[in-house]
Amino acid sequence: GQNIDQPTEMTATEGAIVQINCTYQTSGFNGLFWYQQHAGEAPTFLSYNVLDGLEEKGRFSSFLSRSKGYSYLLLKELQMKDSASYLCAVRDNNDMRFGAGTRLTVKP
Amino acid sequence: NAGVTQTPKFRILKIGQSMTLQCTQDMNHNYMYWYRQDPGMGLKLIYYSVGAGITDKGEVPNGYNVSRSTTEDFPLRLELAAPSQTSVYFCASSYSSAEQYFGPGTRLTVT
Repeated sequence: GQNIDQPTEMTATEGAIVQINCTYQTSGFNGLFWYQQHAGEAPTFLSYNVLDGLEEKGRFSSFLSRSKGYSYLLLKELQMKDSASYLCAVRDNNDMRFGAGTRLTVKP
Repeated sequence: NAGVTQTPKFRILKIGQSMTLQCTQDMNHNYMYWYRQDPGMGLKLIYYSVGAGITDKGEVPNGYNVSRSTTEDFPLRLELAAPSQTSVYFCASSYSSAEQYFGPGTRLTVT
């Protein structure tokens, strides 16, 4: 089976940088995704890693280490609108497994 | 493009009733998925399909059925609804194993 672990809640200040970690166990790794989900809304895609290293996309970056079963999502220059849940998801062949999500609160 | 659409948005069912949640995508994606999300939890995969005529079970398939007769449509059938099926249901689609696009969700209550 798969375990995907990420912190339940985090708080950060507007303008700061925050790192959300995700660890996973999988038998047939085929990619790691990060999604953002605002309360009461559907998830939206943020980033995708299938090879080790850093993927940068504007204020958002995601890192993957397949040997360690570890990823992080880095959010820079935090804005109030970044308050949301961040979901780590792993594709095991065609099966998709999501972590429970990290609820980020950005304070002024 | 409308993306992924789901109907209905809300539904209340009595225990033992049946219903079908509709999902349609207009992006010509070959992969489609059904998830449920309980309060404060991540998404759990119910069923997925890698193309018309092909469906596979996800993590929590019991109590549900799906079909994929066309590329565009992927309905989810609930037979004999139970309170444990109270949840928010999301449909999603993707081009092969790329990122998924989610519909707005269906909020289902079984009482």
